[in-house]
Amino acid sequence: GAGVSQSPSNKVTEKGKDVELRCDPISGHTALYWYRQSLGQGLEFLIYFQGNSAPDKSGLPSDRFSAERTGGSVSTLTIQRTQQEDSAVYLCASSLARNSQFFGPGTRLTVL
Amino acid sequence: AQKITQTQPGMFVQEKEAVTLDCTYDTSDPSYGLFWYKQPSSGEMIFLIYQGSYDQQNATEGRYSLNFQKARKSANLVISASQLGDSAMYFCAMREVQTGANNLFFGTGTRLTVIP
Repeated sequence: GAGVSQSPSNKVTEKGKDVELRCDPISGHTALYWYRQSLGQGLEFLIYFQGNSAPDKSGLPSDRFSAERTGGSVSTLTIQRTQQEDSAVYLCASSLARNSQFFGPGTRLTVL
Repeated sequence: AQKITQTQPGMFVQEKEAVTLDCTYDTSDPSYGLFWYKQPSSGEMIFLIYQGSYDQQNATEGRYSLNFQKARKSANLVISASQLGDSAMYFCAMREVQTGANNLFFGTGTRLTVIP
């Protein structure tokens, strides 16, 4: 596809369950980012991947959050033992150059 | 301290008029980039415009221009000839280059409503 894609678009889960969110970046983009957007707020950085380098995990809010990027392309964000405060829209972005980041449509996560 | 400040939670503009959305930033990094994104009700983040800290001229992209005042640390977005489709949330963001931070820092956004 032409843009960043994310799946699922919506996810409703029960407190305590694990969830996996997927991101397909734009083909050829070496950098991939995960952000979180809580209701009515700006975006909060979570994690950054660049090529084969070790990821920058400085934004992950707790050890329940993890992410991986396989083959330098698709990325999966995993949240273990979800809590209600994890409810948010999770946005993925990819870029090839420092002067742009292109975002996907996001996954809306609701933890009941 | 907030790295990006957007002081206007909401703005209204008459269709076909111009509107300025304010953004101030705080950084000690001499090299940085400033971004504006549009987020319509559908939720996607649409990249609008970019300004590098060393760029001599203000960035322009169609009806969007960035009023970059480096000494004041402001990077206001100007939308000319507003259209109904411009109604959305607008986010200002910054990337610091030399500090090594990989992410964008976002403001809290301004909700623009275009009135017919």
